[in-house]
Amino acid sequence: EIVMTQSPLSLSVTPGEPASISCRSSQSLLHRNGYNYLSWYLQKPGQSPQLLIYLASSGASGVPDRFSGSGSGTDFTLKISRVEAEDVGVYYCMQGLQTPVTFGGGTKVEIK
Amino acid sequence: EVQLVESGGDLVRPGGSLRLSCAASGFTFSSYAMSWVRQAPGKGLEWVSSISDVGGGTFYADSVKGRFTISRDSSKNTVYLQMNSLRAEDTATYYCAKDRGSWSPQTWFHPWGQGTLVTVSS
Repeated sequence: EIVMTQSPLSLSVTPGEPASISCRSSQSLLHRNGYNYLSWYLQKPGQSPQLLIYLASSGASGVPDRFSGSGSGTDFTLKISRVEAEDVGVYYCMQGLQTPVTFGGGTKVEIK
Repeated sequence: EVQLVESGGDLVRPGGSLRLSCAASGFTFSSYAMSWVRQAPGKGLEWVSSISDVGGGTFYADSVKGRFTISRDSSKNTVYLQMNSLRAEDTATYYCAKDRGSWSPQTWFHPWGQGTLVTVSS
């Protein structure tokens, strides 16, 4: 199975400052159709996960444009251009290229 | 609005059984694969099982294969997870999630339900 590794484990950010989370996969997530099957989710405290980014860089409907995804192959990044208080929670990357689907261990984002 | 509402979580003894349900609304249920993902207390996310939209294809994590069975009833817009031979390590919140479309190994999940808690303990 594909192993997903996130860093850092946690992040403390001043409101209005940027934040970046890295996700690496043990195998390339690039499908022959040209798409990377990497998605990002945010689990706010006490809530279920919500989709932020799919296909590595496509924003899900309703997601603020301060969230962006980039990367290809085995290295991916989620960036928050200006962190807001409502962005606290745990961020997960997920590979959906092959079964079993696998998740990164999560990155906890807190506000300073 | 797409909604997924799980139910059926409970406290059960090791070796026992439980059936989880996920009632779906707001989309054409028969056109989408569906999945279950679990989260042990204080831990990360673990994919459990998926079922195709048509054809009845089912897929399982090694950790639950042979013990869990996923199924769906399109007349009720509901997906189920029958869990047998439960172990302490199955203790988790179980989330139902809608796949990106018809069955494909290439997928993402959106949206997720609110989850239902399964506790396996004597």
